[in-house]
Amino acid sequence: GAGVSQSPSNKVTEKGKDVELRCDPISGHTALYWYRQSLGQGLEFLIYFQGNSAPDKSGLPSDRFSAERTGGSVSTLTIQRTQQEDSAVYLCASSFTGGPGELFFGEGSRLTVL
Amino acid sequence: RKEVEQDPGPFNVPEGATVAFNCTYSNSASQSFFWYRQDCRKEPKLLMSVYSSGNEDGRFTAQLNRASQYISLLIRDSKLSDSATYLCVVNIYNQGGKLIFGQGTELSVKP
Repeated sequence: GAGVSQSPSNKVTEKGKDVELRCDPISGHTALYWYRQSLGQGLEFLIYFQGNSAPDKSGLPSDRFSAERTGGSVSTLTIQRTQQEDSAVYLCASSFTGGPGELFFGEGSRLTVL
Repeated sequence: RKEVEQDPGPFNVPEGATVAFNCTYSNSASQSFFWYRQDCRKEPKLLMSVYSSGNEDGRFTAQLNRASQYISLLIRDSKLSDSATYLCVVNIYNQGGKLIFGQGTELSVKP
């Protein structure tokens, strides 16, 4: 498809398990962003990639969270030893230039940690 | 203090009303500003950029006040379809492409 694709759309896991969330950005977009949105809350910035490098990782909540991007395209957000407070919708967005331009969001991955 | 603050609402208005949202930002190095719209259980989408001189797009008008560090969005002649959460977004000069979102203001337009 032409838009940002995220998988899985829904993930239910047990506390302590690891999860991987995938984002496939719009072809040709150099910048990729991960945000987290808890129920009724705004978007919390996690990490931002320009190409394959991450100039800003300041939003990652703890060292249980990591992200990588390969080939300037697909990105994976990994959460190790999940906790209940990790439950949220994880939104990925891409942007053509990585400057402050329009972000195109995927539909999100809803994570529920039991 | 949050970097971007908005009144969460909800704002409940009748069709045809004019409604205004404000957003304040704390970092004076902020350089680019946007309003996004998020429908219930959907992803955010760009509504409009905010330019220094103010800008209008149909029924929507955005204003920027750098001295007071706030941004506003005015919606005239509200439609039922305007019901959504409106997110104020700021980019900070020395933080590259990072975009910071406010918590959003919920608008509900009633018949």
